Amino acid sequence: GQQLNQSPQSMFIQEGEDVSMNCTSSSIFNTWLWYKQDPGEGPVLLIALYKAGELTSNGRLTAQFGITRKDSFLNISASIPSDVGIYFCAGQLTGANSKLTFGKGITLSVRP
Amino acid sequence: DVKVTQSSRYLVKRTGEKVFLECVQDMDHENMFWYRQDPGLGLRLIYFSYDVKMKEKGDIPEGYSVSREKKERFSLILESASTNQTSMYLCASSSQGAPTGELFFGEGSRLTVL
Repeated sequence: GQQLNQSPQSMFIQEGEDVSMNCTSSSIFNTWLWYKQDPGEGPVLLIALYKAGELTSNGRLTAQFGITRKDSFLNISASIPSDVGIYFCAGQLTGANSKLTFGKGITLSVRP
Repeated sequence: DVKVTQSSRYLVKRTGEKVFLECVQDMDHENMFWYRQDPGLGLRLIYFSYDVKMKEKGDIPEGYSVSREKKERFSLILESASTNQTSMYLCASSSQGAPTGELFFGEGSRLTVL
């Protein structure tokens, strides 16, 4: 089946640093989404991308939909302690009823 | 404030017990999902439903069943719990009218099977 690759499994950064995560696939997706899961909570949508090449920002977060439609990246600038959590990428083929395929997630730790 | 509510945050059950995990959403969403989350394995889809009384198998349905008698409620059933079903279970819902498959997740139910 389809798989999304996120690595490394964990990242450790200093408060104030920027961090970039990417997500790759052997298959094409038509929509890419990035979710964040705070400790003890369910994942919450951060950014959705609908078009190849699209670059979208949400505050300190920026995400891009790769030109090949097989990858996406998420950048967090000027990290703060509340950025701690698990970041999942997800791809969707077509339509709101198409299942999401999730990556395994990256656990981000931010040192004060 | 729209919500997906899971009935229990923490459960401890014994091997062989029947376990019910309940999920209710107040957003009038058509689609509902059950995922299991394990360290290093991410989110894996167990079952999903696009309508009342409909269900479809996800990627790891073995050992589980589901029930959707009402639009707002989706139940996950472990007929005979086993230790390898110890995990975090996440319920989610989405709207068929949405531009994407944006999922709204509950807070999760952490199940321990002894």
